[in-house]
Amino acid sequence: DSGVTQTPKHLITATGQRVTLRCSPRSGDLSVYWYQQSLDQGLQFLIQYYNGEERAKGNILERFSAQQFPDLHSELNLSSLELGDSALYFCASSVDGSGVRSAEQYFGPGTRLTVT
Amino acid sequence: SQQGEEDPQALSIQEGENATMNCSYKTSINNLQWYRQNSGRGLVHLILIRSNEREKHSGRLRVTLDTSKKSSSLLITASRAADTASYFCATDGGGADGLTFGKGTHLIIQP
Repeated sequence: DSGVTQTPKHLITATGQRVTLRCSPRSGDLSVYWYQQSLDQGLQFLIQYYNGEERAKGNILERFSAQQFPDLHSELNLSSLELGDSALYFCASSVDGSGVRSAEQYFGPGTRLTVT
Repeated sequence: SQQGEEDPQALSIQEGENATMNCSYKTSINNLQWYRQNSGRGLVHLILIRSNEREKHSGRLRVTLDTSKKSSSLLITASRAADTASYFCATDGGGADGLTFGKGTHLIIQP
């Protein structure tokens, strides 16, 4: 158990819909990272938040957005869903003291999104 | 896009044998990390090697890094059935982005 929690575990929804994935980082970790894992694209970095602010952006679509709240939990919002958005979405957290990215990231169990 | 490329894509060995997986990457790195993933579950951090290190050990794991060849290898000694999983290398360029993962090596340990 990494200490990172994600809800829900599974999500099945239709094209065009909007969903919200939730992540709670390990106690004390200030950074949250979101990744998408699909069969064709593999594991891809989407976005990072550090202590409530966006720190880095990867291959995140404009239909996707995220935020980190004062209690450090994070939400990933996916809208206008397409079939190709079906994937495993992972959240990871890291200590990242003083804004400097630490090395190890601790991954949650993931949310499996199926778009039908 | 993928930076790391693991080789082989899949590997099946007998329990007790050693397993070696390789990773190649394209750009300069701050560090390289190896993660394990069991069948669609979360990733588990195994070991990290910094760009100024050449070899690192952790239990039955040995990682090497050759920055001149932009490659790394992960050796698992005395493999066990519980080592069956997918193994990913991930590079950290030190810049304003997250880890860049390879496509992984699927390791099967046969009892």
